Amino acid sequence: GNSVTQMEGPVTLSEEAFLTINCTYTATGYPSLFWYVQYPGEGLQLLLKATKADDKGSNKGFEATYRKETTSFHLEKGSVQVSDSAVYFCALSYHGNNRLAFGKGNQVVVIP
Amino acid sequence: DSGVTQTPKHLITATGQRVTLRCSPRSGDLSVYWYQQSLDQGLQFLIQYYNGEERAKGNILERFSAQQFPDLHSELNLSSLELGDSALYFCASSVEGSGSPLHFGNGTRLTVT
Repeated sequence: GNSVTQMEGPVTLSEEAFLTINCTYTATGYPSLFWYVQYPGEGLQLLLKATKADDKGSNKGFEATYRKETTSFHLEKGSVQVSDSAVYFCALSYHGNNRLAFGKGNQVVVIP
Repeated sequence: DSGVTQTPKHLITATGQRVTLRCSPRSGDLSVYWYQQSLDQGLQFLIQYYNGEERAKGNILERFSAQQFPDLHSELNLSSLELGDSALYFCASSVEGSGSPLHFGNGTRLTVT
């Protein structure tokens, strides 16, 4: 079935460091891929998306490229800020339906 | 602000009880989705409605049920509550169209004591 795998464990890094969060997926058909961010006490917010292979989604300095050959959608940001501290979820939508399957999420902590 | 409204924000109840969670989707969105978020299970899809009709079912227990009304708001009913039902319950909505993102409410935190 459709599933998303995110790298294990929280990510702690210093301000202005480079951030990468790995995401790989298993899917039938041609899913769309998403990154969502969740700040404490809030719901999930769409960060970026890509709907077909080789598409690059970008927003607020974050980027991710839909790689069909490696079934991956890794999230990157060149220089993180303290305000980027949050939980980040990778997700895919089912072919023909917009419901999402989520990865387990990664807590990102940025230290000043 | 996502435009999706969930009430109540917090709910504390006892085992065996029944509760109703309410969701108002974004204006114009016909699809409503319910998710459960817990520390051990992560984000689990429960059920989806489209324009009043059930569209897809996920890991929803038989003790749980949902519906979408003609004004498009949705309710999630949880009955015979158990301690393990304590979680954050999110509602999301979307427009139709492949690749349309889901817009999430801020959730209802349910605590079963």
